[in-house]
Amino acid sequence: DPKIIQKPKYLVAVTGSEKILICEQYLGHNAMYWYRQSAKKPLEFMFSYSYQKLMDNQTASSRFQPQSSKKNHLDLQITALKPDDSATYFCASSHRDRGYEQYFGPGTRLTVL
Amino acid sequence: DAKTTQPDSMESTEGETVHLPCSHATISGNEYIYWYRQVPLQGPEYVTHGLQQNTTNSMAFLAIASDRKSSTLILPHVSLRDAAVYHCILRGANYGNEKITFGAGTKLTIKP
Repeated sequence: DPKIIQKPKYLVAVTGSEKILICEQYLGHNAMYWYRQSAKKPLEFMFSYSYQKLMDNQTASSRFQPQSSKKNHLDLQITALKPDDSATYFCASSHRDRGYEQYFGPGTRLTVL
Repeated sequence: DAKTTQPDSMESTEGETVHLPCSHATISGNEYIYWYRQVPLQGPEYVTHGLQQNTTNSMAFLAIASDRKSSTLILPHVSLRDAAVYHCILRGANYGNEKITFGAGTKLTIKP
């Protein structure tokens, strides 16, 4: 059974629209993260949450807003989508005191036309 | 965070033992060495980590030089499933900063 679920797997959106990427983890972790990977580039850290509180935000744009409705959920809302937002978005989780042992989900591949 | 240096690519054959080097000449005394790997179209996978002593688990053996300025991830009897990009990463000295900064890593190719 998958321990980290990301939905949808693939997503196509038009410029200017808004989308929500879903992430749920069933590992009992209390820290969750979002990363982004554009084509042929290294992963780029976006956000970290611990106990549903924002710990670190490395995203320059306010168009990216994480949302934590439950302790094992960390969704990512993206507004006013641009073609440059096209990337694979990975959710990860860890125990708060073992934050570098992160477990990654399968990713959501977003294409903005 | 201290910087790491890895070869861009390496190649091996199924069944062989692979040694993936990582140089971290400016590592601080309290920095851990972490290894992740990423298969195309999948999220990264935690492999192992260590501070000073060599470590081993079901995936790999991590050999850390006595001066800690370099380390080697050893993959015994590799298979095609071990083909991936391997990242050597140093954990930031500030506890609580759990941002992982991935570089280009070493692309490991396995031949049948």
